[in-house]
Amino acid sequence: GDSVTQMEGPVTLSEEAFLTINCTYTATGYPSLFWYVQYPGEGLQLLLKATKADDKGSNKGFEATYRKETTSFHLEKGSVQVSDSAVYFCALTGNSNSGYALNFGKGTSLLVTP
Amino acid sequence: DSGVTQTPKHLITATGQRVTLRCSPRSGDLSVYWYQQSLDQGLQFLIHYYNGEERAKGNILERFSAQQFPDLHSELNLSSLELGDSALYFCASSVLTGAGNTIYFGEGSWLTVV
Repeated sequence: GDSVTQMEGPVTLSEEAFLTINCTYTATGYPSLFWYVQYPGEGLQLLLKATKADDKGSNKGFEATYRKETTSFHLEKGSVQVSDSAVYFCALTGNSNSGYALNFGKGTSLLVTP
Repeated sequence: DSGVTQTPKHLITATGQRVTLRCSPRSGDLSVYWYQQSLDQGLQFLIHYYNGEERAKGNILERFSAQQFPDLHSELNLSSLELGDSALYFCASSVLTGAGNTIYFGEGSWLTVV
């Protein structure tokens, strides 16, 4: 079935460092891809999305490009801040059998230190 | 604020009991999804409703059930509770259903079974 694999965390970075969180997927068809973020004690917030190959999603300095040839959707940010500390989830839409529900990766915890 | 409202935010109950979690989707959204988040299982899709009808089931136990009412709010019923049911339960909604659809999450209901 469709699935998402994320790099294991936790990831610890110093403020202003470059961030990459790897995400690869397995899917039949052409899913849409998403990154969600969960700040401590809060719900899931949509960070960015891409709906077709070569699309780039971006928001709040974060970017991810839908790479069909490598089945990847890696999240990047050029300069992280302490406020970016959170858990990041990569996800893809399932198929019609699942009502297009999201399949999530296990999440990657990011801690940014001053 | 995603516009998805969940109640209660926190709930503590005993094993064997039954609880009901409530969700109000964003205004105008017809689709409601329920997810369970636990440390060992991650984010698991439970069930999807669209405009009052069940559309898809994920990893939902037989002890759990849900419904979506004519006003589009939804309830998730959990019965014969076990310690392992302790988790964060998310409701999410979207306008329609489909591969490119953006799904918005509520802040979740924390369930602790003691």
